[in-house]
Amino acid sequence: DAGVIQSPRHEVTEMGQEVTLRCKPISGHDYLFWYRQTMMRGLELLIYFNNNVPIDDSGMPEDRFSAKMPNASFSTLKIQPSEPRDSAVYFCASSDPGTSAEAYNEQFFGPGTRLTVL
Amino acid sequence: GQQLNQSPQSMFIQEGEDVSMNCTSSSIFNTWLWYKQEPGEGPVLLIALYKAGELTSNGRLTAQFGITRKDSFLNISASIPSDVGIYFCAGPDNNNDMRFGAGTRLTVKP
Repeated sequence: DAGVIQSPRHEVTEMGQEVTLRCKPISGHDYLFWYRQTMMRGLELLIYFNNNVPIDDSGMPEDRFSAKMPNASFSTLKIQPSEPRDSAVYFCASSDPGTSAEAYNEQFFGPGTRLTVL
Repeated sequence: GQQLNQSPQSMFIQEGEDVSMNCTSSSIFNTWLWYKQEPGEGPVLLIALYKAGELTSNGRLTAQFGITRKDSFLNISASIPSDVGIYFCAGPDNNNDMRFGAGTRLTVKP
């Protein structure tokens, strides 16, 4: 299995530009999560989906952030317009409850996208 | 929100030594997870704990779910250089949102 795939691995953009981060979860995983990691705030959950439906987006910092999951194998996190304080590593993770609801917690992370907004 | 407090923040040890780190919370968690993150990579799940008092091993790693449900520890025995990384505790809060501790940065000197 290829694991969770994220692209791009690195993104450098200028303030005000639109940024789109992409994620392909592990095939068969019903849950998809987006996280942000910074030195100051650590790992923070932004939003998660179950069967392509957004379940909890309370962690999304502002309206400038939006996430979609048009199908089971693809999700995007968009920032428009981007600001320097959005600079962070963004992780996508997926999980598969299978026959055990507890397994929902066992999340597999992608390698992350390091975003720098100048 | 429910916070996870990890200690120590960092550890510098000699290869071969044992390591112990812990995680505490002011509120109850029903699941405790331990992850390891290496530079430039995403966190990797090491151990998942689901029952109070549970003690689980994964190779040289051992983790325990505290009886009060407010703490957990991770031990690494006979450390090796590849144990270097940041170790995070995590758990789902009352809203089922995953919370992460700030991490323990481990350095192992050969």
